[in-house]
Amino acid sequence: KAGVTQTPRYLIKTRGQQVTLSCSPISGHRSVSWYQQTPGQGLQFLFEYFSETQRNKGNFPGRFSGRQFSNSRSEMNVSTLELGDSALYLCASSRDGSNHQPQHFGDGTRLSIL
Amino acid sequence: EDQVTQSPEALRLQEGESSSLNCSYTVSGLRGLFWYRQDPGKGPEFLFTLYSAGEEKEKERLKATLTKKESFLHITAPKPEDSATYLCAVQAGNTGNQFYFGTGTSLTVIP
Repeated sequence: KAGVTQTPRYLIKTRGQQVTLSCSPISGHRSVSWYQQTPGQGLQFLFEYFSETQRNKGNFPGRFSGRQFSNSRSEMNVSTLELGDSALYLCASSRDGSNHQPQHFGDGTRLSIL
Repeated sequence: EDQVTQSPEALRLQEGESSSLNCSYTVSGLRGLFWYRQDPGKGPEFLFTLYSAGEEKEKERLKATLTKKESFLHITAPKPEDSATYLCAVQAGNTGNQFYFGTGTSLTVIP
């Protein structure tokens, strides 16, 4: 069974640019969440999508946005990139986000801002 | 405010030296507590789900336990391949799927 797939694995951008990251969840999983991981802050929740609707949102500025398609694939967009956006961006999927249901993670996209 | 705290931040063990990692949490409406293992350059790998005080789960040299305020990950006779960062997360809130993560314990097992 294929796991969560994230593309690209590595990305280098400059300040002010925008970027789109992609996530394909495990087959049959309809809940997709995005996290930002940095050495100092750990994993910080960005948002969760379920059935093409944003169901939960963390405390990130509006420059961070996402969407989910009918096949449950998800994209995350960051506009007007800042140096502080350098991080590992992780996508996680679960069947529907019910109680006790674990999230399964991809290996992330490493975003570096120059 | 929902919060998850892990200790210690880093732990070095000799091969075969057993120890425990701690995860304490304050959340409103715990819906599940999860342990993950993360290797460098990889995403977190799911290990255990716990949701009821008193519950225990085991897998090879790892055993996870849960109380009303904290969870422990016990590592018995660790091997070098157990070296990784161990993350604790809680699922909270009334709807949806929002996980709160601790900052992890970096475990190094020395041969």
